[in-house]
Amino acid sequence: GAVVSQHPSRVICKSGTSVKIECRSLDFQATTMFWYRQFPKQSLMLMATSNEGSKATYEQGVEKDKFLINHASLTLSTLTVTSAHPEDSSFYICSAIRTSGGEYEQYFGPGTRLTVT
Amino acid sequence: LAKTTQPISMDSYEGQEVNITCSHNNIATNDYITWYQQFPSQGPRFIIQGYKTKVTNEVASLFIPADRKSSTLSLPRVSLSDTAVYYCLVGASGNTGKLIFGQGTTLQVKP
Repeated sequence: GAVVSQHPSRVICKSGTSVKIECRSLDFQATTMFWYRQFPKQSLMLMATSNEGSKATYEQGVEKDKFLINHASLTLSTLTVTSAHPEDSSFYICSAIRTSGGEYEQYFGPGTRLTVT
Repeated sequence: LAKTTQPISMDSYEGQEVNITCSHNNIATNDYITWYQQFPSQGPRFIIQGYKTKVTNEVASLFIPADRKSSTLSLPRVSLSDTAVYYCLVGASGNTGKLIFGQGTTLQVKP
């Protein structure tokens, strides 16, 4: 089946630095990917929609200048957390849409655990 | 996007059938109903999707009444490994668009 990968699986960074998280669709092309954030014991919160070749669409309350999204190819979207702070520590999950024979399926990545110290 | 309401938690024992009901009173005509399973520190995993009546696959069944204002995920003979959070989502055209996750149902399967 379709697979979505994320890299790294976990990262620890110091406050004030930037961190890049990659989301790749391994065996299909995805014009649309999504980025979610999940805090402990909470549900997934949609952050933004990443569209290949165009600017990302951010959900209300998500700072676009802090969470930079680049969808440069049909198999790769990146999320960069700029000037990270401890409150940005969270589990970041991406998903990708695969179209096949007129049907659409959404696959989730395994997530990236970000810890900001 | 339709809002969903599910029980926060459920307990069951191994071998039992578990039914988790989700309410989505404002579901739109072109919305599908999709259920995901999530284990700690993992991304959600697709379980089943349906539009109306009943859908069955190798892991679950999904029952949707005629008014589509609710749906029930049925897990037959659960095992300890089915302990997870289950999310019910509704959205247009199946999985085409963004999904807004509700609180989900934490299922605890006991031996």
